[in-house]
Amino acid sequence: GAGVSQSPRYKVAKRGQDVALRCDPISGHVSLFWYQQALGQGPEFLTYFQNEAQLDKSGLPSDRFFAERPEGSVSTLKIQRTQQEDSAVYLCASSLALGGGYGYTFGSGTRLTVV
Amino acid sequence: AQSVTQLDSQVPVFEEAPVELRCNYSSSVSVYLFWYVQYPNQGLQLLLKYLSGSTLVESINGFEAEFNKSQTSFHLRKPSVHISDTAEYFCAVSDDGGSNYKLTFGKGTLLTVNP
Repeated sequence: GAGVSQSPRYKVAKRGQDVALRCDPISGHVSLFWYQQALGQGPEFLTYFQNEAQLDKSGLPSDRFFAERPEGSVSTLKIQRTQQEDSAVYLCASSLALGGGYGYTFGSGTRLTVV
Repeated sequence: AQSVTQLDSQVPVFEEAPVELRCNYSSSVSVYLFWYVQYPNQGLQLLLKYLSGSTLVESINGFEAEFNKSQTSFHLRKPSVHISDTAEYFCAVSDDGGSNYKLTFGKGTLLTVNP
């Protein structure tokens, strides 16, 4: 597609519920990234995929967070047993180059609200 | 590890006035530097980047930023702003080595251009 597509745009979850957030990167982009943006803050790195391989998951805040990209294209970020502190905008980005030092293309994000 | 400080959380200016959005970074290694812009309800868009070479970099819509290594700064400037420049601006840094995929963002500066 023309850009990075994320769905849903908005998600309200009850505390303790599991959620799954989807990212469709730009076709052919080998690198895919997830960032978390809390209210009033800049985005913070969560995880990085190169094709289907998850090369860095050091930013995932707890073992309740899990990301996958099984076929090297679409990615899903799953949060189990959501907590209020998980409320944030989750941004996906992709890059044609290996690594990302040359700039990413970001999606519009999924705003997760945990009530 | 790197960090980014954006000294102003909000900058209000009048249309056609000059503006400077300040960014300072901290890093023990050589860096790449970026400015991203986020319009309301949209994803982050790359505005400009410094990777190497000339320390003055420009965007297509009149913004420029200068990398100052001695002052560890990468301030963003525009000589005359438009209403349409109203957005949140994020400064970001990555190392220029094996972890260049991982961006560290500042908290953002909200630029509001008033008529």
